[in-house]
Amino acid sequence: DQQVKQNSPSLSVQEGRISILNCDYTNSMFDYFLWYKKYPAEGPTFLISISSIKDKNEDGRFTVFLNKSAKHLSLHIVPSQPGDSAVYFCAARVSGSARQLTFGSGTQLTVLP
Amino acid sequence: DTAVSQTPKYLVTQMGNDKSIKCEQNLGHDTMYWYKQDSKKFLKIMFSYNNKELIINETVPNRFSPKSPDKAHLNLHINSLELGDSAVYFCASSQDWDREQYFGPGTRLTVT
Repeated sequence: DQQVKQNSPSLSVQEGRISILNCDYTNSMFDYFLWYKKYPAEGPTFLISISSIKDKNEDGRFTVFLNKSAKHLSLHIVPSQPGDSAVYFCAARVSGSARQLTFGSGTQLTVLP
Repeated sequence: DTAVSQTPKYLVTQMGNDKSIKCEQNLGHDTMYWYKQDSKKFLKIMFSYNNKELIINETVPNRFSPKSPDKAHLNLHINSLELGDSAVYFCASSQDWDREQYFGPGTRLTVT
């Protein structure tokens, strides 16, 4: 049972445009969400997170939006740069006793120059 | 300086063998993890560990065991390797349970 879903395995965007990566979840107990970025032959690196008490968190070119009623979050990258080309993983967690992240399957973002 | 390192990077071995993957972090973190990335690219938690508690994902076979000689290391031991164990294994660490995790580069295990 995939509790965190990234339904788009790949996305291509022109340099300078906005990239929007989507993530859906089914477990209503999730209260903390993270995005990780992964380059080939490297481990995932933390990008940005959001708590369920917020609906938006921004860090430079990266903004994460959370829609709790729809159980949906998205990552916006603007403007997109070729160096942003990577696999992006959405992850979610239940604070407290669970203490583990549940990851989606990732979306390969390609930013075209 | 590498924050979270794993050795080896690649491991090819035969069914039935016992192998270990080492993980070290120099971040001073209290909590470490092992993940398995399967053929469908999902990252699945195997173990979460700090000096007080070990949390084991119930789906992990007991052929897998974490060993922590000290706070900076969490090694993964695998007994009686099976074909289905072929995957990329990632080690990670965090300052505590609720902080973001830092990942190692991964170990690609191939069981033949």
